[in-house]
Amino acid sequence: DAKTTQPPSMDCAEGRAANLPCNHSTISGNEYVYWYRQIHSQGPQYIIHGLKNNETNEMASLIITEDRKSSTLILPHATLRDTAVYYCIVLSQGGSEKLVFGKGMKLTVNP
Amino acid sequence: NAGVTQTPKFQVLKTGQSMTLQCAQDMNHEYMSWYRQDPGMGLRLIHYSVGAGITDQGEVPNGYNVSRSTTEDFPLRLLSAAPSQTSVYFCASRRTGSHYGYTFGSGTRLTVV
Repeated sequence: DAKTTQPPSMDCAEGRAANLPCNHSTISGNEYVYWYRQIHSQGPQYIIHGLKNNETNEMASLIITEDRKSSTLILPHATLRDTAVYYCIVLSQGGSEKLVFGKGMKLTVNP
Repeated sequence: NAGVTQTPKFQVLKTGQSMTLQCAQDMNHEYMSWYRQDPGMGLRLIHYSVGAGITDQGEVPNGYNVSRSTTEDFPLRLLSAAPSQTSVYFCASRRTGSHYGYTFGSGTRLTVV
C-alpha cells in the first residue's frame, strides 16, 4: 500500500472550514484514500473514504486531485470537538486489511 | 447496538503473567483487528481476522495469540507479558465490502511492571 505524507500539525479557528492535506504520490489505481481521526486517547473514528471522485458525508468532504496524488479532507465548520489527530491512509480494496496509521496530523481548533 | 466492546479498560500485569484482552462486537461484522498504540505513535496492527476461524498476523504479532471461534468475539492473548507490551490496545471491526470503515473500541490500557 502506498505511503502518505501529512503535515504534523495545523490550527483552525472555530466556525471556519478546516482543510487537511494529504500527499500520496505513489498511490496505485486500486487504492482508496481513507481518513480516520482520534480524539484524545479514544479509539480512532472512521470519517470518509474515496477512490477518485469527490465524496461527502455528514462529517466531512473529501477532495481527491485528478491525478490522485493528493487529497484534502474538509471539515466545513470546525468546532472545538474536531480537535484531534487525523490520519490519512491508503488501502487497496480486496487486499490486506492492514491499516497503516502513521503519525497523522494534529488539528487544533481554537475558539 | 453496543458497537465494539473491550474489556478490561485498565490492567496492570507483572512480567511473565498471561492474560486475555476481550473484544466483542454486536454488528455482525466479518472483519476484526487488534492494534496497539504506544505514546506519540500511530496504531500498529497485531493480528486480524476476515471471518470466524480465519486469522492472520499483522505488523507486530510476536508475543500475542488470537482466535476467532465466533463472528462476535476476537480475544487477544498475551502469553508471557513483558514491559515492552505496555501499551493501549484497540480492537476494531467492519462489514465486508468496500464501502465501510472500521469501528474501533475505546481501548484497553495495559501496564506491565
